[in-house]
Amino acid sequence: NAGVMQNPRHLVRRRGQEARLRCSPMKGHSHVYWYRQLPEEGLKFMVYLQKENIIDESGMPKERFSAEFPKEGPSILRIQQVVRGDSAAYFCASSPIGQSLPWAQHFGDGTRLSIL
Amino acid sequence: AQSVTQLDSQVPVFEEAPVELRCNYSSSVSVYLFWYVQYPNQGLQLLLKYLSGSTLVKGINGFEAEFNKSQTSFHLRKPSVHISDTAEYFCAVSDQNDYKLSFGAGTTVTVRA
Repeated sequence: NAGVMQNPRHLVRRRGQEARLRCSPMKGHSHVYWYRQLPEEGLKFMVYLQKENIIDESGMPKERFSAEFPKEGPSILRIQQVVRGDSAAYFCASSPIGQSLPWAQHFGDGTRLSIL
Repeated sequence: AQSVTQLDSQVPVFEEAPVELRCNYSSSVSVYLFWYVQYPNQGLQLLLKYLSGSTLVKGINGFEAEFNKSQTSFHLRKPSVHISDTAEYFCAVSDQNDYKLSFGAGTTVTVRA
């Protein structure tokens, strides 16, 4: 029973490039959440998605960041024109159908994004 | 909106000694409280949660935490640590009507023989 799968585990980009982070939720889970962990800080909520719908993007930066969770395939967090300040660990969590509860969220191992 | 403060960023401790990790929160509404553990290069694993009822909560791996409403604290304890408890520990809070978790900055526990 695979957990939440995130890839890549590590991603290096140069300033101005695009970063695409992927998250496959656990089997039977239809809710996906993205969190960002900046250096020396705790995780901060970015966005909550269900299949083909963005439910809450109140934590997403207004520019350059977007997220999707298509009908088929993983959820994607996309960062355009990356800057040094985007260097962080990005965690995805998923929860079962009908359970958008904080303790029902299962976390992946994260993607460590480094911007050169 | 809530905030979470973990008072210690680093806690070194000897094997078999007790450990306490401090967490204070602020919120204008009723909250749920959580402790998570993060081993190197891994995701977060839920240690324990407080939703209601008894203020002393027992979790996995021998950890427990006590909710103190008057002091707005939720400190984590273990009476005797193992080398394998070396990890980063995060305190988190959520509004009772919300799915968003707000995390503290974390406490790194290093257990030495």
